[in-house]
Amino acid sequence: NAGVMQNPRHLVRRRGQEARLRCSPMKGHSHVYWYRQLPEEGLKFMVYLQKENIIDESGMPKERFSAEFPKEGPSILRIQQVVRGDSAAYFCASLAGTSGYNEQFFGPGTRLTVL
Amino acid sequence: ELKVEQNPLFLSMQEGKNYTIYCNYSTTSDRLYWYRQDPGKSLESLFVLLSNGAVKQEGRLMASLDTKARLSTLHITAAVHDLSATYFCAVDSTGNQFYFGTGTSLTVIP
Repeated sequence: NAGVMQNPRHLVRRRGQEARLRCSPMKGHSHVYWYRQLPEEGLKFMVYLQKENIIDESGMPKERFSAEFPKEGPSILRIQQVVRGDSAAYFCASLAGTSGYNEQFFGPGTRLTVL
Repeated sequence: ELKVEQNPLFLSMQEGKNYTIYCNYSTTSDRLYWYRQDPGKSLESLFVLLSNGAVKQEGRLMASLDTKARLSTLHITAAVHDLSATYFCAVDSTGNQFYFGTGTSLTVIP
């Protein structure tokens, strides 16, 4: 049973370019969270999605950032016109939610470097 | 916004010693999670605590939850080098958002 998959694992972009990060949840999971982790810090919630629906995007910057989780295919976190401050590790987690609690399973992360 | 604080932020301990990491949170919740993260790696789930007084143990780690005090502890017994990592607690209060603590970076030295 494959776990949560993310790609690419490492992404380098120049300022002003676009970054697309992909997340495939565990089989049977239809809920995805995206988090950002700056060096030496904890994880900061960005967005919570179900298939074809954004449930909570209160942690996502209003500009340049967007997320989707289509009916078919992976969830995508898109960052337009990247700046150096976007350099971070981005983790997605998929939700089990089958036992009365919301345990999340994390992917390996995408490490974004903006030059 | 719910706040989750961990202390200490950095912990250096000798092999064989015991220590406790504390996780305080600012609002009512009866679900708390502990994760481990190795450098450059993802988060690995350690414990899920679902009710007041819950206690779980795995190997040299034991976690407990006091929802009245809004406090969880992660106790390390007879530390070994393999336990060196960063440990995060997280609280789920609304069912939508998870709030993570700042992390405790643990180094176990011979």
